[in-house]
Amino acid sequence: AQSVTQPDIHITVSEGASLELRCNYSYGATPYLFWYVQSPGQGLQLLLKYFSGDTLVQGIKGFEAEFKRSQSSFNLRKPSVHWSDAAEYFCAFTGGGNKLTFGTGTQLKVEL
Amino acid sequence: DVKVTQSSRYLVKRTGEKVFLECVQDMDHENMFWYRQDPGLGLRLIYFSYDVKMKEKGDIPEGYSVSREKKERFSLILESASTNQTSMYLCASSPIWDEQFFGPGTRLTVL
Repeated sequence: AQSVTQPDIHITVSEGASLELRCNYSYGATPYLFWYVQSPGQGLQLLLKYFSGDTLVQGIKGFEAEFKRSQSSFNLRKPSVHWSDAAEYFCAFTGGGNKLTFGTGTQLKVEL
Repeated sequence: DVKVTQSSRYLVKRTGEKVFLECVQDMDHENMFWYRQDPGLGLRLIYFSYDVKMKEKGDIPEGYSVSREKKERFSLILESASTNQTSMYLCASSPIWDEQFFGPGTRLTVL
């Protein structure tokens, strides 16, 4: 079955520290991958997406993600976290159709 | 900027009431989606529409119906609201084969 897993429900990091949020997918071919962020009480905003080509993808707000086919992963990274990055982060993928499958989300807390 | 708007941010209804949630997008997108979001469960697709008057069931369609009479508008209908439909409802739109753009959400409470 096609699925996406975010193993970490909650992550706490100190402001200025680096961040990596994990995302693993299960799919028989190359997926189209997305990372979204949701601030409290808001809708989701796209951070970045991977369709093909360079496996290191740059997004907004200083985020990047790397597609690793061998590990079926698409982890999100940021070198230095800001307090305003505290939010919930969702990984999602599609096999090429119009529907997205979302992970259950990772809640990020930033300690000042 | 793409804009997806939802008719209400907060809604309180009583059990058995008929509830309409409205979503409008201004980018001429073909696809529109309704999700519900619950803690620990992520986003679950209720219904989506790929064209006017066309709809397809998502993962959790039971207890819901939808209507898309115009391209820009996609309505979610709870025929007889129940307490287990208390949730955050998110609408999204997308062009074919690309990212989805989300509205701000409607937090529905059914008493």
